[in-house]
Amino acid sequence: GDSVTQMEGPVTLSEEAFLTINCTYTATGYPSLFWYVQYPGEGLQLLLKATKADDKGSNKGFEATYRKETTSFHLEKGSVQVSDSAVYFCALSDPTGNQFYFGTGTSLTVIP
Amino acid sequence: EAGVVQSPRYKIIEKKQPVAFWCNPISGHNTLYWYLQNLGQGPELLIRYENEEAVDDSQLPKDRFSAERLKGVDSTLKIQPAELGDSAVYLCASSLGSETYNEQFFGPGTRLTVL
Repeated sequence: GDSVTQMEGPVTLSEEAFLTINCTYTATGYPSLFWYVQYPGEGLQLLLKATKADDKGSNKGFEATYRKETTSFHLEKGSVQVSDSAVYFCALSDPTGNQFYFGTGTSLTVIP
Repeated sequence: EAGVVQSPRYKIIEKKQPVAFWCNPISGHNTLYWYLQNLGQGPELLIRYENEEAVDDSQLPKDRFSAERLKGVDSTLKIQPAELGDSAVYLCASSLGSETYNEQFFGPGTRLTVL
């Protein structure tokens, strides 16, 4: 069945460092791909999404490109801030929208 | 605009007791989801509603879990009786529809501890 595999954490970076969190997926057809973020004490919120191959989602300096050839949707940011400290979840919605799968989450801590 | 509201935020009960969680989705959102999130894991779907109809409850342990969404607006998830392994965060989410591209909006969750 469909699934999402996400890079294990936790990840600790210094402020202004480059961030990559890997996400690969297994799916039939053409799913939609998402990154959600969960700040401490808050609910999950959508960070960015891509609905077809080669689409690039971007928001708040974060980017991810839907790569069908490598079945990947890696999250990147060029210069992280302390306020980016959170748990990041990669997620997949199957083409019908009937199934939604989350990765296990990657905890990011950014230190000044 | 108000987000997804869940209550209570925290609940501590003894095993074998019943417990209920309430969710009020964003106004106008037809699709409502209940998820279970264990510590260190991603959310796992329990049930999905389209308006008042449960269209996917395949992952809901029906021997002890039940849910309802009367009038297609707010929803209640119940566990009776609760077991130790039910300790987790229960998340509610809503979206305009269930099409693959629709964003889900999440509530803050209810953290359940079963003693």
